[in-house]
Amino acid sequence: SYVLTQPPSVSVPPGRPARITCGANNIGSKSVHWYQQKTGQAPVPVIYNDSDRPSGIPERISGSNSGSTATLTISRVEAGDEADYYCQVWDRSSDQPVFGGGTKLTVL
Amino acid sequence: EVQLVESGGGLVQPGRSLRLSCTTSGFTFGDYAMSWFRQAPGKGLEWVSFIRSKAYGGTTEYAASVKGRFTISRDDSKSIAYLQVNSLKTEDTAIYFCSRGPRLQLWAFDYWGQGTLVTVSS
Repeated sequence: SYVLTQPPSVSVPPGRPARITCGANNIGSKSVHWYQQKTGQAPVPVIYNDSDRPSGIPERISGSNSGSTATLTISRVEAGDEADYYCQVWDRSSDQPVFGGGTKLTVL
Repeated sequence: EVQLVESGGGLVQPGRSLRLSCTTSGFTFGDYAMSWFRQAPGKGLEWVSFIRSKAYGGTTEYAASVKGRFTISRDDSKSIAYLQVNSLKTEDTAIYFCSRGPRLQLWAFDYWGQGTLVTVSS
């Protein structure tokens, strides 16, 4: 089965950029989606198809995908960005979604 | 406004059953696939199941961990998706979320409910 690998945690001071990676074999050939989940809340999509922002998501949040790594970037981190972030792709061989293990973003 | 509200969770003994409901509004329910996910305490998201729209046969898919024990269904007339969970195990303890999707061509999940907690314990 297809496995997505995320770092368990990332810590960044406010105002600095945060980069959260999602690694997998040839992930650059797939469409990657990202979800933000704040404590006690439902997940919210923040990036579709590698780099498309849903309406209402600030321009500070962006995504890229190439080779074996997809990256979610928050250009200037704010306290309100503290959350768990999950990457997701669709595994066509099993016709199922695959999620990364999640990365906890801490704003120092 | 799109809304999804889960219900039916609770404390249940191992081996027993529950039926979870996902009541929706704000969109044409019958046009969309619907999914269930779960999140064990302190753990990540786990996809559980999805059901396609009737236009795509209303067929279902399940994660290996629940196949044979869980059954997803839908009532388009009521805009509700269900998850029947049988033969519950302690490791099924989790918050269960429903979501709209996967969206065709996108293969992502755009709206989520707030979840319902299932606790399996004797």
